[in-house]
Amino acid sequence: DAGITQSPRHKVTETGTPVTLRCHQTENHRYMYWYRQDPGHGLRLIHYSYGVKDTDKGEVSDGYSVSRSKTEDFLLTLESATSSQTSVYFCAISEAGAGFSGAFFGQGTRLTVV
Amino acid sequence: SQQGEEDPQALSIQEGENATMNCSYKTSINNLQWYRQNSGRGLVHLILIRSNEREKHSGRLRVTLDTSKKSSSLLITASRAADTASYFCATDSRSATNKLIFGTGTLLAVQP
Repeated sequence: DAGITQSPRHKVTETGTPVTLRCHQTENHRYMYWYRQDPGHGLRLIHYSYGVKDTDKGEVSDGYSVSRSKTEDFLLTLESATSSQTSVYFCAISEAGAGFSGAFFGQGTRLTVV
Repeated sequence: SQQGEEDPQALSIQEGENATMNCSYKTSINNLQWYRQNSGRGLVHLILIRSNEREKHSGRLRVTLDTSKKSSSLLITASRAADTASYFCATDSRSATNKLIFGTGTLLAVQP
């Protein structure tokens, strides 16, 4: 899986609590992405990063923040989890950016907010 | 909003038949990509076609792109049971380069 590790793989949390998901890569790729996947919606881009400390919003960024202090780590934080954020979250990486090459995906994190 | 929409949403065929999936998108693109997702797994990149290309082949996969109609098709020839998966198109638009936006996917079931 192209050296991408997502952690945790599964998490159950309560409404209103903060949650941080981690994506770690060993490929030294410049671009990193966070998506959520929900039935009927396919994958929707939350945030992405084009370098250390360089991030931008995606289609569904409300309620989410990200940080990238090192090339290899991209963190997704739900400041105050809501039930609507129950989803499967995927991290992806790309060497030259989606504009030039395909992306490699992690195995996903299943998050349940109760 | 979703950039790409796949059609059909679900497709069931017999082994050995060809499977065709279509993708329509909304804005001008740099490239269009197709991915496969097996149940419970991450997505796997299959093929990329650039906006100045009309057709591309990779093994049993054939992708076409019609930028005038803002549409693409993925053909899988001589399908196998192992091809059973969800297939997604993804676009990299000119107005937002490197923001890879996915469609809603086609669920393909290949019956042995």
